[in-house]
Amino acid sequence: AQKITQTQPGMFVQEKEAVTLDCTYDTSDQSYGLFWYKQPSSGEMIFLIYQGSYDEQNATEGRYSLNFQKARKSANLVISASQLGDSAMYFCAMRGGTGRRALTFGSGTRLQVQP
Amino acid sequence: NAGVMQNPRHLVRRRGQEARLRCSPMKGHSHVYWYRQLPEEGLKFMVYLQKENIIDESGMPKERFSAEFPKEGPSILRIQQVVRGDSAAYFCASSPVRNSETQYFGPGTRLLVL
Repeated sequence: AQKITQTQPGMFVQEKEAVTLDCTYDTSDQSYGLFWYKQPSSGEMIFLIYQGSYDEQNATEGRYSLNFQKARKSANLVISASQLGDSAMYFCAMRGGTGRRALTFGSGTRLQVQP
Repeated sequence: NAGVMQNPRHLVRRRGQEARLRCSPMKGHSHVYWYRQLPEEGLKFMVYLQKENIIDESGMPKERFSAEFPKEGPSILRIQQVVRGDSAAYFCASSPVRNSETQYFGPGTRLLVL
């Protein structure tokens, strides 16, 4: 069974600063995928970034990067140059197991960007 | 390029009624997933479907819940005899091909059971 742990219920960051949102995972699968989604107050789920377990390079998408440390089973999201519009809930998720497509989500981190 | 569409966006039902939630995947996507989000929690997987097939229903409650994805038309998540504990946001996601990793989510349906 897969498990995702997000230990930060809430985070504050000053506008224009960088912030790291923590995510650790537990799985016995060799092949898996890690995702981050953003959920603003309007409620939709927005895909941000994906990292495959066999990818050697950390994934980057614009201001988002994923700090993937396989041995430590962590997949932290780094947001650079925070903007007020980044205020939202952020969920880490994992797809694990060959042929298994269900995503397992963490409990989320609420990020508030302060001006 | 329309994204995943869900309707209704909000649904109010009284206990004992039926709820029908619809999901139209992105164009070209043939895989649909349903998730449920209780207040202040993360999403929980319910079911994964392809056209006319249920692939993985390991997250579906054993009673009152069913899902389908017919050859024509949207995917439907059906909840019979709703109870207050069914109040939640129900999200549909879709992905294009079998080996594609990313699931793209719809805006969700907020179900409130009175």
